[in-house]
Amino acid sequence: DAGVIQSPRHEVTEMGQEVTLRCKPISGHNSLFWYRQTMMRGLELLIYFNNNVPIDDSGMPEDRFSAKMPNASFSTLKIQPSEPRDSAVYFCASSFYRTSGAYNEQFFGPGTRLTVL
Amino acid sequence: GDSVTQMEGPVTLSEEAFLTINCTYTATGYPSLFWYVQYPGEGLQLLLKATKADDKGSNKGFEATYRKETTSFHLEKGSVQVSDSAVYFCALSDQGGATNKLIFGTGTLLAVQP
Repeated sequence: DAGVIQSPRHEVTEMGQEVTLRCKPISGHNSLFWYRQTMMRGLELLIYFNNNVPIDDSGMPEDRFSAKMPNASFSTLKIQPSEPRDSAVYFCASSFYRTSGAYNEQFFGPGTRLTVL
Repeated sequence: GDSVTQMEGPVTLSEEAFLTINCTYTATGYPSLFWYVQYPGEGLQLLLKATKADDKGSNKGFEATYRKETTSFHLEKGSVQVSDSAVYFCALSDQGGATNKLIFGTGTLLAVQP
């Protein structure tokens, strides 16, 4: 079975440009998470969705960042305008959430390495 | 809020040495506990998990026991290999699973030398 798919795997852009990162979660999963990983700040949760609805976006750094999930099989994370400090590896993860409170293992994609010059 | 504290790395070991990476947590409710591993250039992947007190999770020779009395979930392996070199993250389910967020520790880099 295909895991979480992210594209592109690498993105190099110039400051001020718009960047769009894409994620396809595992089929049947109903939760999707966007993380950012840097050496300085470690792994940070940016936003997550349940059933395509944003639940917690408190980790989104600022208004330059936005995320959408138009359907169960696709999500985007957009940065506009991009800045050098946005350089990081961005991970998408998905899980199947049960309201019964059972553990919710997350499956991570390979990540998108973003470099903003 | 819920949190996870991991020992800082890097941890450098020789092949076949014994490994312990400490993890302690603070949580409300009864969280599930996880260890994730990240190999160079890859995403995180689940290594093992435990869902209740005294459970032992195990995989690929790694083990961790859910200790409620000490709020710990230390990762151990009896004999490490070069291929175990990676970053290891301890995590717990936020609010005992009431949300589906995972709270991650800062990660511990393990370097195994031949």
